[in-house]
Amino acid sequence: GAVVSQHPSWVICKSGTSVKIECRSLDFQATTMFWYRQFPKQSLMLMATSNEGSKATYEQGVEKDKFLINHASLTLSTLTVTSAHPEDSSFYICSALPGALPQHFGDGTRLSIL
Amino acid sequence: RKEVEQDPGPFNVPEGATVAFNCTYSNSASQSFFWYRQDCRKEPKLLMSVYSSGNEDGRFTAQLNRASQYISLLIRDSKLSDSATYLCVVRSYGGSQGNLIFGKGTKLSVKP
Repeated sequence: GAVVSQHPSWVICKSGTSVKIECRSLDFQATTMFWYRQFPKQSLMLMATSNEGSKATYEQGVEKDKFLINHASLTLSTLTVTSAHPEDSSFYICSALPGALPQHFGDGTRLSIL
Repeated sequence: RKEVEQDPGPFNVPEGATVAFNCTYSNSASQSFFWYRQDCRKEPKLLMSVYSSGNEDGRFTAQLNRASQYISLLIRDSKLSDSATYLCVVRSYGGSQGNLIFGKGTKLSVKP
């Protein structure tokens, strides 16, 4: 089945650091990938839709200058959390569509900002 | 009102029990419906799509009632490995394909 790889799986860093998370579709091309965030005991919330070769579409309330998304190829999207602060600590998950629904999710990245 | 609502549980059941989860959604224009399973600190994994006619996959049966905007998941003969959080997920018409709306999930704990 379709596989989506996410890296790193766990990041711990100091406040003010920028963190890059990669999302790769391993066996299919994905013109669209999605970035979600999940706080403890909360549901997954879509942050943005990453479009290959064009700008990402951000959901309301998500700062595009803080969460930089780059989708330079059909198999890779990156999310960079710039100048991360403790309130950015969360579980970030990417997903991709191998054509039609359903989405396939990456393993997730647990981000802890000290 | 939240877009997708689920009973958070936890549901604590013995092995072999039958357990049912319910979910309601607020947007009548919702098009696609899913149940995902999420283990602690892991990504969600698709359990099954939900169709209007109802569908079954082994021990799992999903039902959709569009008139009531209600989705259910029935698990028969529960196994220890069924312990997880079950997420009700809805996609609404007109949103991006990525705009899946997740419920908070219902936690299931199956005991020996």
